[in-house]
Amino acid sequence: ETGVTQSPTHLIKTRGQQVTLRCSSQSGHNTVSWYQQALGQGPQFIFQYYREEENGRGNFPPRFSGLQFPNYSSELNVNALELDDSALYLCASSPWMTSGAGETQYFGPGTRLLVL
Amino acid sequence: AQTVTQSQPEMSVQEAETVTLSCTYDTSESDYYLFWYKQPPSRQMILVIRQEAYKQQNATENRFSVNFQKAAKSFSLKISDSQLGDAAMYFCAYRSAGSGMRFGAGTRLTVKP
Repeated sequence: ETGVTQSPTHLIKTRGQQVTLRCSSQSGHNTVSWYQQALGQGPQFIFQYYREEENGRGNFPPRFSGLQFPNYSSELNVNALELDDSALYLCASSPWMTSGAGETQYFGPGTRLLVL
Repeated sequence: AQTVTQSQPEMSVQEAETVTLSCTYDTSESDYYLFWYKQPPSRQMILVIRQEAYKQQNATENRFSVNFQKAAKSFSLKISDSQLGDAAMYFCAYRSAGSGMRFGAGTRLTVKP
């Protein structure tokens, strides 16, 4: 069974640029969530996708957007990068459960983004 | 809004001894789930244990157990027979239907040989 993978592992961008981060879900999982983890803090929920549609969003501006593809891989796009966007970006996949809340999320290793 | 608070930024335990990590949360929901995740220096978050709020029985997973006090909104993690490999950041997390996971700020656990 293949776990959750993310690419790239590290990335350096300059302020104002755009970035795309990628995530490949664990086999059999149809839900993916993205989190931003600033240094020394806990992860913060960005959004969740289920069957290619966004079905939950945290307190992040519209310049954070995403896609989920039919094979359940996913992208996180961030436009107009700001210095505060420097963080570890984690994706997590899970099978959908009726409750929508109790399923275990399996995390990828993350992408470390540095904005200069 | 739901919040998760971990009041211990750092904890230390001697190998083979027991340590308890604290977590409190605030919510008006009655149905939700609580989690403890471990994040070693390799960065990959690993689920340690999971608790359904409607279950009164405390969850256990081998050396890991929780003390879930729903009325007090408390969810502590007990690690028994601590091992060197337990050293990591531990995050308490909350999730209710229709919302993303909310994490606490984390507790860094050091295990001394």
